[in-house]
Amino acid sequence: GAVVSQHPSRVICKSGTSVKIECRSLDFQATTMFWYRQFPKQSLMLMATSNEGSKATYEQGVEKDKFLINHASLTLSTLTVTSAHPEDSSFYICSAISDSPNTEAFFGQGTRLTVV
Amino acid sequence: GESVGLHLPTLSVQEGDNSIINCAYSNSASDYFIWYKQESGKGPQFIIDIRSNMDKRQGQRVTVLLNKTVKHLSLQIAATQPGDSAVYFCAEIQTGNQFYFGTGTSLTVIP
Repeated sequence: GAVVSQHPSRVICKSGTSVKIECRSLDFQATTMFWYRQFPKQSLMLMATSNEGSKATYEQGVEKDKFLINHASLTLSTLTVTSAHPEDSSFYICSAISDSPNTEAFFGQGTRLTVV
Repeated sequence: GESVGLHLPTLSVQEGDNSIINCAYSNSASDYFIWYKQESGKGPQFIIDIRSNMDKRQGQRVTVLLNKTVKHLSLQIAATQPGDSAVYFCAEIQTGNQFYFGTGTSLTVIP
């Protein structure tokens, strides 16, 4: 099946620094990718919808200047957590939509971000 | 897709028993459904799917049932094993690639 690669899988950073997370669709083109945040024992929480070649659509309550999303190509979307703080520590997951042969969402492996 | 960060309902089953995980969906126009499994610290993985023109589909040890009358989806896992412990959630897909994910259920298998 299709593969979505998310990198890095784990990152520890200092407060105030920025962290970039990459999401790549390896064998299909994805015009739409989603970014989620997940806290322990909780469901996926949609942060934003990333559309290739246009601005991302953010969910209510998600700061677009804090979580910068760039979808520069049909196979790559990036999420940059700017000026990270300890409360940004979480598990971040991306997914990409494949239309062939069926419409399906494929998920990345997730990124565990720890801000110290 | 949309989802809300909610605390997950839990289900505990004895190893070897069958598990049934339920999901209610919202839109009668949804025509495609997927079940995902998410192990701790990992991204969700596809388990099985079903189209709205079917009411049952079987895979290896898993069966998905679709009841369009009451907009209900279930995942049955036969002879549950410790490796089945994970969070399971459903997704409903509507025309136009609109994905909606369920809250999820945390399954714990007791050895």
